[in-house]
Amino acid sequence: DAGVIQSPRHEVTEMGQEVTLRCKPISGHDYLFWYRQTMMRGLELLIYFNNNVPIDDSGMPEDRFSAKMPNASFSTLKIQPSEPRDSAVYFCASSPGPAGEQYFGPGTRLTVT
Amino acid sequence: AQKVTQAQTEISVVEKEDVTLDCVYETRDTTYYLFWYKQPPSGELVFLIRRNSFDEQNEISGRYSWNFQKSTSSFNFTITASQVVDSAVYFCALDAYRDDKIIFGKGTRLHILP
Repeated sequence: DAGVIQSPRHEVTEMGQEVTLRCKPISGHDYLFWYRQTMMRGLELLIYFNNNVPIDDSGMPEDRFSAKMPNASFSTLKIQPSEPRDSAVYFCASSPGPAGEQYFGPGTRLTVT
Repeated sequence: AQKVTQAQTEISVVEKEDVTLDCVYETRDTTYYLFWYKQPPSGELVFLIRRNSFDEQNEISGRYSWNFQKSTSSFNFTITASQVVDSAVYFCALDAYRDDKIIFGKGTRLHILP
């Protein structure tokens, strides 16, 4: 079975540029989560979707961040404009149900210079 | 508010020793779920276990065991006869029914020395 797929695996961009991270969840999973991991703040939940609908985006740091899930097999996390403090590893995870175990993708390491 | 505390930031043990990773949680919900995840050096988070608040039975899976005690709000993880491959960061997490948002602890970095 294919796990959660994320692309790109690494992204290096300059401050002010738009960045789009992509995620394909496990087929049949109704929940999709976006996380950010940094040394300082640990693992933070940014937003999660249930059946393609955003349920809680209270973790999104500011308006520069946006996430969409146009269908059950694809989600994007966009940062516009990017800033150096956005440098982190961004994980996507999917889950078969509420409070279920989450299956994480390999992450996207974002570096903003 | 929900909270997960992993007081041990970093632990080092020699291979074949047993090691216990502590996790203490806070929630006002009576229905909640607890998790452990492993993050090896490769970076990907791997699900290990999920327990609900109504099931206090301890669980054993090979060299891994989990001790859930509601009286002390703890969900500790023990690795028996540790191996170098167990070296990773381990996260404890809590998902309370009413909040429906998982909260991760800061993680414990475990070094197994050969």
